[in-house]
Amino acid sequence: GQQVMQIPQYQHVQEGEDFTTYCNSSTTLSNIQWYKQRPGGHPVFLIQLVKSGEVKKQKRLTFQFGEAKKNSSLHITATQTTDVGTYFCAGNTGFQKLVFGTGTRLLVSP
Amino acid sequence: SQTIHQWPATLVQPVGSPLSLECTVEGTSNPNLYWYRQAAGRGLQLLFYSVGIGQISSEVPQNLSASRPQDRQFILSSKKLLLSDSGFYLCAWTVGSGDYEQYFGPGTRLTVT
Repeated sequence: GQQVMQIPQYQHVQEGEDFTTYCNSSTTLSNIQWYKQRPGGHPVFLIQLVKSGEVKKQKRLTFQFGEAKKNSSLHITATQTTDVGTYFCAGNTGFQKLVFGTGTRLLVSP
Repeated sequence: SQTIHQWPATLVQPVGSPLSLECTVEGTSNPNLYWYRQAAGRGLQLLFYSVGIGQISSEVPQNLSASRPQDRQFILSSKKLLLSDSGFYLCAWTVGSGDYEQYFGPGTRLTVT
């Protein structure tokens, strides 16, 4: 079946450092979504990318969708303690459901 | 505005006991509904999804079942819980086409002892 892998599984940074998580799908995606899950909470939608090569920014967060629509990345500039949580990508193949990535857990020390 | 409710928030059940988790959505009609399970420190595993009343698609063969008796109600059940059923159960909804973002409920933390 379709798989979506994320690397790294875990990253611990000092506040102010940058952070990047990478997402790779075994199949071509119609779109990709990113979610953030705070410790003890539920996933919250961040953004959706649809076009090949698309780049979107949300303040310190930059999202990219690969040219082949099989990979994506999330980059956070100058992390803050409020960025702590697990970041999931989720691929949409057009069959009414998402396949979630394995997630990257981010810990930020002040 | 739309809201999604799940209950109970936490549940401790013995092995072999039955399970019923309920999810309801307010403020929208004909949503796609989803049940996910998340093991501790792990990703989200899609269990079931539904595109309409009485329409259930199962993603993973297991001892769980789902039902959608009303447009905005989604129920997850088991006749006999296993230890491996422990986890964080999340209900989510999206607009009908399925290509839009999913909105998650607060989840139910199930511990099977």
